[in-house]
Amino acid sequence: EAEVAQSPRYKITEKSQAVAFWCDPISGHATLYWYRQILGQGPELLVQFQDESVVDDSQLPKDRFSAERLKGVDSTLKIQPAELGDSAMYLCASSLRWIGAANTEAFFGQGTRLTVV
Amino acid sequence: GQQVMQIPQYQHVQEGEDFTTYCNSSTTLSNIQWYKQRPGGHPVFLIQLVKSGEVKKQKRLTFQFGEAKKNSSLHITATQTTDVGTYFCAGSRTNAGKSTFGDGTTLTVKP
Repeated sequence: EAEVAQSPRYKITEKSQAVAFWCDPISGHATLYWYRQILGQGPELLVQFQDESVVDDSQLPKDRFSAERLKGVDSTLKIQPAELGDSAMYLCASSLRWIGAANTEAFFGQGTRLTVV
Repeated sequence: GQQVMQIPQYQHVQEGEDFTTYCNSSTTLSNIQWYKQRPGGHPVFLIQLVKSGEVKKQKRLTFQFGEAKKNSSLHITATQTTDVGTYFCAGSRTNAGKSTFGDGTTLTVKP
């Protein structure tokens, strides 16, 4: 069964350092999402791509976060510099079309658990 | 902005008891999706509801979308230990808009 691949699974970094996460969506999925999930809360959308274009990054802290999906396939999310409050699970998801479109489901990866010390 | 609230935050039941979680939106939704996240796992899609008053069933799970399309519920009949996890709803205001997740209801089942 096709899966969304994410790496690394776990990352510990010191504050002020740079950190990057990688996501490989299910083949053929045009839409890719990066979510941040704080323990005890629901996923919060950081950025949404349609192919290689950003369609929503309204909740992305652009002073320190960046995301790219250069060829419209895999994607990288970067944080520089990391802050203590960035500790969370970073989830990548993909779907054939955007979440909310009729008959569309999102498939989530296992996530990257980030701890900033 | 759009807010999606879920209640209760936690629910502890004895195996065999029923369970219901409720999802309420501050705005009218185009559709709503439900996901389940097992402890230590990632969200897994369960279902999408689109029509006003829609009711869908998956074995012991019953999903409802309110007539006004501002609320939804998930009901589990005769819970089993395999039902443990956090259930999230995610609502979209438009077919082209992003979905906003609620904070989930965490279900624990005592054998």
